Amino acid sequence: DTGVSQNPRHKITKRGQNVTFRCDPISEHNRLYWYRQTLGQGPEFLTYFQNEAQLEKSRLLSDRFSAERPKGSFSTLEIQRTEQGDSAMYLCASTRRDGYTFGSGTRLTVV
Amino acid sequence: GENVEQHPSTLSVQEGDSAVIKCTYSDSASNYFPWYKQELGKRPQLIIDIRSNVGEKKDQRIAVTLNKTAKHFSLHITETQPEDSAVYFCAASYNNNDMRFGAGTRLTVKP
Repeated sequence: DTGVSQNPRHKITKRGQNVTFRCDPISEHNRLYWYRQTLGQGPEFLTYFQNEAQLEKSRLLSDRFSAERPKGSFSTLEIQRTEQGDSAMYLCASTRRDGYTFGSGTRLTVV
Repeated sequence: GENVEQHPSTLSVQEGDSAVIKCTYSDSASNYFPWYKQELGKRPQLIIDIRSNVGEKKDQRIAVTLNKTAKHFSLHITETQPEDSAVYFCAASYNNNDMRFGAGTRLTVKP
């Protein structure tokens, strides 16, 4: 287990299509976070899980976004009816105590 | 919720000089303040962190200071090297939950 793994690395989709990303955290980390990062900005919080429970969801997140962590291990982030404004890097991070370990991210391009 | 502001947005220094990046936070309950370094096309990586029960922490050429009263914290890099060139993000959270990031500082170290 070498770190946080995210798949796919890149995703190009047409506007209106649905996309799903996967995150595999470090196995002993009980907390998992999703962030979105656009060029020149810091990571923007989307949602987080403690084990399988989704504890917080950003008010900026529209109803088109949903996330799951069914068994408290990997997590998926789904975006329905994608829009061009959804184009960004989607980062997953996990932690047990101090600091977050980030994955390499999934770069989404909506055309 | 927490709001983190970071300055400057860009910083250029000569190799060997010091660099200072400053952040402010809004939520007085925040007690954990990490700093991340993000190289182009790579994931953010934790470089140093500080908790609210200490005022300063140092790790080789990197130090972080915290002023809880003013809700300010700063990153200091001494004897800068070209490989320090990257985007640096500050962040704030309560007990490492729901981390909020600053917008980032692009540091360029000129040889």
